[in-house]
Amino acid sequence: DQQVKQNSPSLSVQEGRISILNCDYTNSMFDYFLWYKKYPAEGPTFLISISSIKDKNEDGRFTVFLNKSAKHLSLHIVPSQPGDSAVYFCAAKIPGAQKLVFGQGTRLTINP
Amino acid sequence: DVKVTQSSRYLVKRTGEKVFLECVQDMDHENMFWYRQDPGLGLRLIYFSYDVKMKEKGDIPEGYSVSREKKERFSLILESASTNQTSMYLCASSPPAGTHMNTEAFFGQGTRLTVV
Repeated sequence: DQQVKQNSPSLSVQEGRISILNCDYTNSMFDYFLWYKKYPAEGPTFLISISSIKDKNEDGRFTVFLNKSAKHLSLHIVPSQPGDSAVYFCAAKIPGAQKLVFGQGTRLTINP
Repeated sequence: DVKVTQSSRYLVKRTGEKVFLECVQDMDHENMFWYRQDPGLGLRLIYFSYDVKMKEKGDIPEGYSVSREKKERFSLILESASTNQTSMYLCASSPPAGTHMNTEAFFGQGTRLTVV
């Protein structure tokens, strides 16, 4: 039972344009959502997070939007840069739970 | 600078061997995790530990065991390695939920294990 789903395995975007990565979840108990970025042969690194009491969080070029009624979140990267090419994982957490539940990941490729 | 260190970047083992993957964190975190990453399947939790000598099964514990004798060290053990355990293994640590505003997990660099 995949509670966190990233339905797009890959995404290709032109440099300078906006990249939008999507994530859906099924468990309404999730209260904290995170995005991680992973380069090949390296561990994931934390990118940005959002609490369920908010609908938007921004950090530089990265913005995460949360739509609780649709159980959907998205990560916007603008403008996209070649260094953004990586696999992006969405993750979620239940209050009081110690573990994160991850999606399958989306491979983002930024084309020059 | 926070750090999670995995003992090996690359490992090649034979079928049936007992394999130890070691992970050390220097952040004094209570929680430690072992995930494996496979294409199309994302990060799947194998085991986690929320305290010394404590462990809980994750989503795919079969064929694995863990050991946490010290707070900073969490070991993953493949009792008898099989080819379907060829994967990228990722260790992570985090503070306990509710202690901090940000409860992100910090990951090590990963161990690419190949079982032949």
